[in-house]
Amino acid sequence: GAGVSQTPSNKVTEKGKYVELRCDPISGHTALYWYRQSLGQGPEFLIYFQGTGAADDSGLPNDRFFAVRPEGSVSTLKIQRTERGDSAVYLCASSLSGQGGGYTFGSGTRLTVV
Amino acid sequence: DQQVKQNSPSLSVQEGRISILNCDYTNSMFDYFLWYKKYPAEGPTFLISISSIKDKNEDGRFTVFLNKSAKHLSLHIVPSQPGDSAVYFCAASTGRQGNLIFGKGTKLSVKP
Repeated sequence: GAGVSQTPSNKVTEKGKYVELRCDPISGHTALYWYRQSLGQGPEFLIYFQGTGAADDSGLPNDRFFAVRPEGSVSTLKIQRTERGDSAVYLCASSLSGQGGGYTFGSGTRLTVV
Repeated sequence: DQQVKQNSPSLSVQEGRISILNCDYTNSMFDYFLWYKKYPAEGPTFLISISSIKDKNEDGRFTVFLNKSAKHLSLHIVPSQPGDSAVYFCAASTGRQGNLIFGKGTKLSVKP
């Protein structure tokens, strides 16, 4: 597609439930990033994929968070046993490996845990 | 501890005048800096970047200045237009790949 696509755009879930957030990067982009943005804050890094492998997962807050990118394209961010503090906008971005300049971000998934 | 700081949460400027957005950083290992613009309900959009080997980069109405000794960068928009009204994020990284560290953003309002 022309841009980075994230689905769903909005997700409301109950505390304790499991959620999956999907990201379709720009075709051919080998690098994929997940960020989380809470109200009044800038985006906060979660994880970075180069191809199929997680090159840097140091931003994942705890073991309830996990992300995969099995074929080097679509990625899924998985959150187990959701907590109210997980409520945020989850942003995905992609870029060409070695490209100068910034990433292309998707519009995000707004996750609300009630 | 915030490594990238945007100390002004908001800025209001008259159309046609210059907008100056400021950013400070603490990590001397940062060598690549970027500005993103964000409209409501959209993801951030890349605007302009600068490598630490330069002190200025210009792209149309947008110029970024980097002062490494002061660990400070600024984004100048001239002339400002109402369509520039958005939240502007400063970001920094070590190298051109890998994760970016973002500031909290500055909301720019350009009044007609």
